[in-house]
Amino acid sequence: AQTVTQSQPEMSVQEAETVTLSCTYDTSENNYYLFWYKQPPSRQMILVIRQEAYKQQNATENRFSVNFQKAAKSFSLKISDSQLGDTAMYFCAFATFRNTGNQFYFGTGTSLTVIP
Amino acid sequence: EAQVTQNPRYLITVTGKKLTVTCSQNMNHEYMSWYRQDPGLGLRQIYYSMNVEVTDKGDVPEGYKVSRKEKRNFPLILESPSPNQTSLYFCASSLYPGRSYEQYFGPGTRLTVT
Repeated sequence: AQTVTQSQPEMSVQEAETVTLSCTYDTSENNYYLFWYKQPPSRQMILVIRQEAYKQQNATENRFSVNFQKAAKSFSLKISDSQLGDTAMYFCAFATFRNTGNQFYFGTGTSLTVIP
Repeated sequence: EAQVTQNPRYLITVTGKKLTVTCSQNMNHEYMSWYRQDPGLGLRQIYYSMNVEVTDKGDVPEGYKVSRKEKRNFPLILESPSPNQTSLYFCASSLYPGRSYEQYFGPGTRLTVT
């Protein structure tokens, strides 16, 4: 069975500081994809960053970067220069490909508050 | 505007009364999926579809049905809703399955079953 674990239900960070959200997953698959999604109070799901498991280089998107440790099955998200608009629930997600499409697994989320 | 739409956005119904939540995308995406979001559980995949007439079960398919007769539409059907299906439902689509293509999510449907 595939599982995604986010061990930090809530976190806070001062504006302009850096914060790291942790995520671990469990799978026997070799090819898979990892994502971080953001859900602000509007409830809209927004893709933050993605990583393909066969790529060793960590993905970056502006202030967002990941630390992907395949052997440890760890996929943490680092937010630099935190902004008030980063306040949201963050979900780590894992996807495997089946003949009929992608099957997704999400973590339980980390609620991040950016403090002015 | 490229988007995924869901209707209705809010629905209160009674146990056993069949209902359908519609999902439509205007991006010619092949892959579509349904999720439910519950507090403390994150999002869980209900069903997904790789293309017309190709659907498969996700993690929590019990009590739900789907169909994909047209590429743009992927309705979620609850034949006999029960209170444990009270949840926030999201439809999503992406260009193709099999890669890390971005999933575009609809705005969500808040369903309450009494």
